[in-house]
Amino acid sequence: KNQVEQSPQSLIILEGKNCTLQCNYTVSPFSNLRWYKQDTGRGPVSLTIMTFSENTKSNGRYTATLDADTKQSSLHITASQLSDSASYICVVTYMDSSYKLIFGSGTRLLVRP
Amino acid sequence: DGGITQSPKYLFRKEGQNVTLSCEQNLNHDAMYWYRQDPGQGLRLIYYSQIVNDFQKGDIAEGYSVSREKKESFPLTVTSAQKNPTAFYLCASSMVWTGYEQFFGPGTRLTVL
Repeated sequence: KNQVEQSPQSLIILEGKNCTLQCNYTVSPFSNLRWYKQDTGRGPVSLTIMTFSENTKSNGRYTATLDADTKQSSLHITASQLSDSASYICVVTYMDSSYKLIFGSGTRLLVRP
Repeated sequence: DGGITQSPKYLFRKEGQNVTLSCEQNLNHDAMYWYRQDPGQGLRLIYYSQIVNDFQKGDIAEGYSVSREKKESFPLTVTSAQKNPTAFYLCASSMVWTGYEQFFGPGTRLTVL
């Protein structure tokens, strides 16, 4: 079954600290993996997108890594800010004729001052 | 929210009523999508449209209907047949239907009273 699992479910860190969010998937064949940030009550906004041949991609303080062999991805946030408080969603594209997106349930991050 | 608008932001419905959620995009995207988001779950696909005048059922289409008469518009009707309609509804669009990045609207929160 094609699934995307994220951990932890929720995380609290102090402002200025780093954190890493995990994403494991069983989707196969897969086209790409994306990380989205979703503020409460808003739509998700794309942070990074990686194909199976890419190992890492950065977007400012956000760095995503991908290991297609172990089917794992991580999102590392450096020097966290209060505005990083949000849900982070890992999404994998299932590469059949439908190009269906498989969504993880997200990690809810709270950054405290 | 990248050129995609959804209205209204909040919607209240009495049981037995049909309601229509609006989604408009000015990105000139061919493909549009409707997702449902429930607490603690990943986004689930309701309907999608690869091109104007065409649409397909997603994973949870029962109790919903859509139309795609114009490229920029993809309204979703939640009918009285939908047994548990209270949720956050997200509309998205992408340039084409082949795993391209999807851009999300701000969402509509529907509550059944």
